[in-house]
Amino acid sequence: AQSVTQLGSHVSVSEGALVLLRCNYSSSVPPYLFWYVQYPNQGLQLLLKYTTGATLVKGINGFEAEFKKSETSFHLTKPSAHMSDAAEYFCAVRFSYGGSQGNLIFGKGTKLSVKP
Amino acid sequence: DGGITQSPKYLFRKEGQNVTLSCEQNLNHDAMYWYRQDPGQGLRLIYYSQIVNDFQKGDIAEGYSVSREKKESFPLTVTSAQKNPTAFYLCASRPLGGNTEAFFGQGTRLTVV
Repeated sequence: AQSVTQLGSHVSVSEGALVLLRCNYSSSVPPYLFWYVQYPNQGLQLLLKYTTGATLVKGINGFEAEFKKSETSFHLTKPSAHMSDAAEYFCAVRFSYGGSQGNLIFGKGTKLSVKP
Repeated sequence: DGGITQSPKYLFRKEGQNVTLSCEQNLNHDAMYWYRQDPGQGLRLIYYSQIVNDFQKGDIAEGYSVSREKKESFPLTVTSAQKNPTAFYLCASRPLGGNTEAFFGQGTRLTVV
């Protein structure tokens, strides 16, 4: 079955430290890949997306993600965490085939805490 | 400004009552979606629609109903058959075709009292 897995439901980093949030998908054909951020009691906001082309994708707020086909991964990184980065992050995929064609499939989310 | 509007932001319902959550978009998007969010479970798809007067069940449609009479509007009714309706509900839309992302509303938090 098509799925997306986010490793770690909670990640805590110190302000200024590297942020690494992991996302893996299960598919032999690369899907479209997305990272969203959610602040408490709000909707989701797109951080970045990978469709085709360059495998390193830059997004808003200094985040970037690298698509690695051989590892079926799309990990999200930021070189230096800010307090304002504390939020929940969702990886999502959309496959162009199969029963969920066209629909986003979400990971369970990773809550990022940033310590001063 | 274009966007997706969900109302109300907070909603309280007594057990046994139906309640309707509103979702309106002025982005001219063909596809609209309803998701349910529970802590630690991510977003789960309830219903989706890709064209007016047509909609499809998602993964957790039981106890919910929708309509799509207008392109701009996709209301969700939480019926009394939904056994555990307390949750955060998110509406989204996107253009069909291409590699487009979904745009989300601000959500409605439904609490059964």
